[in-house]
Amino acid sequence: EVQLVQSGAEVKKPGESLKISCKGSGYSFTSYWIGWVRQMPGKGLEWMGIIYPGDSDTRYSPSFQGQVTISADKSISTAYLQWSSLKASDTAMYYCARQNYGDQLYAFDIWGQGTMVTVSS
Amino acid sequence: AIRITQSPSSLSASTGDRVTITCRASQGISSYLAWYQQKPGKAPKLLIYAASTLQSGVPSRFSGSGSGTDFTLTISCLQSEDFATYYCQQYYSYPVAFGQGTKVEIK
Repeated sequence: EVQLVQSGAEVKKPGESLKISCKGSGYSFTSYWIGWVRQMPGKGLEWMGIIYPGDSDTRYSPSFQGQVTISADKSISTAYLQWSSLKASDTAMYYCARQNYGDQLYAFDIWGQGTMVTVSS
Repeated sequence: AIRITQSPSSLSASTGDRVTITCRASQGISSYLAWYQQKPGKAPKLLIYAASTLQSGVPSRFSGSGSGTDFTLTISCLQSEDFATYYCQQYYSYPVAFGQGTKVEIK
């Protein structure tokens, strides 16, 4: 079964660092992009960025560039989203999702279950 | 960046109704548009890609149309399990963008 399994919920204080993960299985991890999507409480979906684990090519939304870092470790089929200094406004559900690779972009066909990040003093 | 405007933001409908949701892109995106369904507490689920291609396993009461800048999602005969929030997404170019969402509620 093709699936993306994300790490568990996190509760952090402002200023702390955090790295959440997304592990792919059931398919060739290095042949698909992995994207990250934010959903703040009661709000819509926001595309944050995407990485191609095959060569670590990474693209960011201008809204998130410099605010987060996306990385991947293809040896363990895992992508990451990290913050160096969290803010209360980072409180949200974060989803990873798979995108096919090719000479065009594709829709997200497989989604992780989401990781809830709560930042509160 | 390409902007997506989705409407309406919410609608009330009854089981058996025909429902239409629209998305407009700020510039032409050919057919690089997808539709997702999200139920409370769950991850989004891909319904339609390439504007009109049904994802495997998605009921045929869902259909998509459009190209260029104007797109439509239609649910031909609303079922109880279809009450959810729907999002469109342009994937013509980075940064990818989602519409604001349409919440389909029970009348």
